[in-house]
Amino acid sequence: DSGVTQTPKHLITATGQRVTLRCSPRSGDLSVYWYQQSLDQGLQFLIQYYNGEERAKGNILERFSAQQFPDLHSELNLSSLELGDSALYFCASSVAAQDTYEQYFGPGTRLTVT
Amino acid sequence: AQTVTQSQPEMSVQEAETVTLSCTYDTSESDYYLFWYKQPPSRQMILVIRQEAYKQQNATENRFSVNFQKAAKSFSLKISDSQLGDAAMYFCAYRRMYSGAGSYQLTFGKGTKLSVIP
Repeated sequence: DSGVTQTPKHLITATGQRVTLRCSPRSGDLSVYWYQQSLDQGLQFLIQYYNGEERAKGNILERFSAQQFPDLHSELNLSSLELGDSALYFCASSVAAQDTYEQYFGPGTRLTVT
Repeated sequence: AQTVTQSQPEMSVQEAETVTLSCTYDTSESDYYLFWYKQPPSRQMILVIRQEAYKQQNATENRFSVNFQKAAKSFSLKISDSQLGDAAMYFCAYRRMYSGAGSYQLTFGKGTKLSVIP
């Protein structure tokens, strides 16, 4: 158990809908990363937050957004869902944005868009 | 931009034997970290081993060791005395060491599916 929790474990929804994925980092970790794992694209970095502020963006679609709250949990919002958004979404946390090299991954949320 | 390439989509190994998974990467930076992650059927991402680019000594963790060739930009993973529990997807990943105001995200290869034959 990495100490990172993600809810829900599984999510099935229809095209055009909006969903929210939640991540709670390990206690004390300030940085949260979101990754998408799909058959087509492999594992891709989406976005990073550090202590409530957006730190970096990767291959994140405009239909997707994220935020990190004062209690440091993070949410990834996916809207106008398409079939191609079906994927495993991971969040990972680390102690700080800098000076650390290990990210601890949560168990992932499996999103199925039908 | 950094890229990570794993040229072996699938590999198999007999139980108790040794197997080597290959990884090459491309970067213009001189300092960085390299990782191998294991993803079993449970889908959990598990860190297997890490290597700092400034260290000449290859990292080892029990039955897992790496062969890090910085000039060749090669980072292979050797699994000795393979066990049934080693069956999984293995991902090679790169992370920059110094980011300034940027990010420390991981860049992953496409993965190698390892099967262990009893």
